[in-house]
Amino acid sequence: DAGVIQSPRHEVTEMGQEVTLRCKPISGHDYLFWYRQTMMRGLELLIYFNNNVPIDDSGMPEDRFSAKMPNASFSTLKIQPSEPRDSAVYFCASSLGQGALTEAFFGQGTRLTVV
Amino acid sequence: GNSVTQMEGPVTLSEEAFLTINCTYTATGYPSLFWYVQYPGEGLQLLLKATKADDKGSNKGFEATYRKETTSFHLEKGSVQVSDSAVYFCALRVSNYQLIWGAGTKLIIKP
Repeated sequence: DAGVIQSPRHEVTEMGQEVTLRCKPISGHDYLFWYRQTMMRGLELLIYFNNNVPIDDSGMPEDRFSAKMPNASFSTLKIQPSEPRDSAVYFCASSLGQGALTEAFFGQGTRLTVV
Repeated sequence: GNSVTQMEGPVTLSEEAFLTINCTYTATGYPSLFWYVQYPGEGLQLLLKATKADDKGSNKGFEATYRKETTSFHLEKGSVQVSDSAVYFCALRVSNYQLIWGAGTKLIIKP
């Protein structure tokens, strides 16, 4: 398996534009996580899905952020409208189950810059 | 609540030095403990883990022992290399809850 695949790797957009980040989890994994990483706040869990259903979105910063998982092999994180403070690296991760020993596998991330 | 505290970085060492990165935790119940590593430009990847008190996780020369009495899971390596330069994250999981992350510690190894 190629691992968790995210696209694009880099995104530069102007303030006010819509941004869509994409993630393909590892085949067979039933959990998918979206994280945001910044120097100031470190690694933050935004939302996670189990079997394509959003379980906890309490980390989503505001209504400008939305995430979907239409099927087991694809998820999107959308920011509309984007703001400069959204600049960060966004990671998608997947896992099989969420037990004590479960390992989360991370994608390489999307570096978002909003100017 | 559940939380993880790591030593602040960056930690700068010379090649072949001994490494310790401190990690302490607060948890309800009996957590599993993890160290993840993030190399420059990459996502996080699991380095090692331990599920119960006195367990020792090890991988690539790194070790960490689950110490319940001190609520710690310090990462150690006897002789670091330049290629170990990365950010190291300590994390815990209680039952089937999601991972709780530390802030990360940047490690810089100079040749």
